[in-house]
Amino acid sequence: KAGVTQTPRYLIKTRGQQVTLSCSPISGHRSVSWYQQTPGQGLQFLFEYFSETQRNKGNFPGRFSGRQFSNSRSEMNVSTLELGDSALYLCASSLRGADLGETQYFGPGTRLLVL
Amino acid sequence: GNSVTQMEGPVTLSEEAFLTINCTYTATGYPSLFWYVQYPGEGLQLLLKATKADDKGSNKGFEATYRKETTSFHLEKGSVQVSDSAVYFCALSDRGGSQGNLIFGKGTKLSVKP
Repeated sequence: KAGVTQTPRYLIKTRGQQVTLSCSPISGHRSVSWYQQTPGQGLQFLFEYFSETQRNKGNFPGRFSGRQFSNSRSEMNVSTLELGDSALYLCASSLRGADLGETQYFGPGTRLLVL
Repeated sequence: GNSVTQMEGPVTLSEEAFLTINCTYTATGYPSLFWYVQYPGEGLQLLLKATKADDKGSNKGFEATYRKETTSFHLEKGSVQVSDSAVYFCALSDRGGSQGNLIFGKGTKLSVKP
């Protein structure tokens, strides 16, 4: 079974631009979560989608948004990029969600550099 | 709120040494506990998990026991190898809670020298 895939793997943008990241979950998984990883803040939860609905949201500004499609693929968008948005963005999938004690399977991440 | 505290790194060991990475948690419900490992330039891989008190998770020689009385989930390995060099994250998910996400510790970087 193929794992979680994320595209692109690396991205360089400038301040003020916007960016869209993509995540394809493991086949059959309906829950997709996004996390931001930085050296200073560690791993922080962004949001979770299940059956095309945002089910949970972390403490990030409205510039961070996401969506999920009917095939469970998910995208996240960051508008008006700031230098502090430079990070590794990780996507994770599970059958129904972490709140059921399920394992979340992570993709390799997209490394975003904002100049 | 829920939180995870794990020992600060980095930890440097010689090959075949014993490893312990401490992890304690605070949770309002009945959490599941996880250890994830991150190798350089990669995403997170599940190392082991435990879903209820006194459960022991194990994988690749690593073990951790869910201790409700001490709210701990310490990671141990009897004999580390150079290939175990990575960053280790302790995490919890609170079943039945409204969070629906993993809460991670800060991570512990392990370096194993030959």
